[in-house]
Amino acid sequence: GNSVTQMEGPVTLSEEAFLTINCTYTATGYPSLFWYVQYPGEGLQLLLKATKADDKGSNKGFEATYRKETTSFHLEKGSVQVSDSAVYFCALSNGANSKLTFGKGITLSVRP
Amino acid sequence: DAGVIQSPRHEVTEMGQEVTLRCKPISGHDYLFWYRQTMMRGLELLIYFNNNVPIDDSGMPEDRFSAKMPNASFSTLKIQPSEPRDSAVYFCASSPPGLASVNEQFFGPGTRLTVL
Repeated sequence: GNSVTQMEGPVTLSEEAFLTINCTYTATGYPSLFWYVQYPGEGLQLLLKATKADDKGSNKGFEATYRKETTSFHLEKGSVQVSDSAVYFCALSNGANSKLTFGKGITLSVRP
Repeated sequence: DAGVIQSPRHEVTEMGQEVTLRCKPISGHDYLFWYRQTMMRGLELLIYFNNNVPIDDSGMPEDRFSAKMPNASFSTLKIQPSEPRDSAVYFCASSPPGLASVNEQFFGPGTRLTVL
């Protein structure tokens, strides 16, 4: 079956630090990969996505590259801001429906 | 567009009471999902619908939970009777038609349920 594994959290960084959040997946075929973000008190919202191998998704300074050889989709940002403090979820979608498989999520706190 | 609308935003009830959570998906979306989020279990998919028909309810924890979608613009998740372990944030999400595997899910703000 499908599964998504995220690195353990929480993560605390200083403003302008470099961010990497690891995500690996297990799936048959060619899944689509997503990063969702959940700000405090809100629902999840799509941050970026990639639909095939070697695709790079990017948004708001965040990037992630779909690596089929390592089954990974790590999230990176060169310089985090306090406003990036949130919970980040890696997810995949596989097959003929919209069902998403989510990782456990990781809490990022950015201090000024 | 107003986005996915959920009501109520907060619900506090006593054990044994019936709880009904409501969701209005984004107009034109034909997939609707119900999730539950807790600290212990993270985000769990409970059930999802396509064109108002339940497709997969394998995540529904037990018979106390039921979900309906009588039309394209409304869905309910009911818990009867409620128990303290049902306390969680319940999210509704919808997704547009098309190439399903690449579609984005749009989440509502959630309903925070507390069962005393």
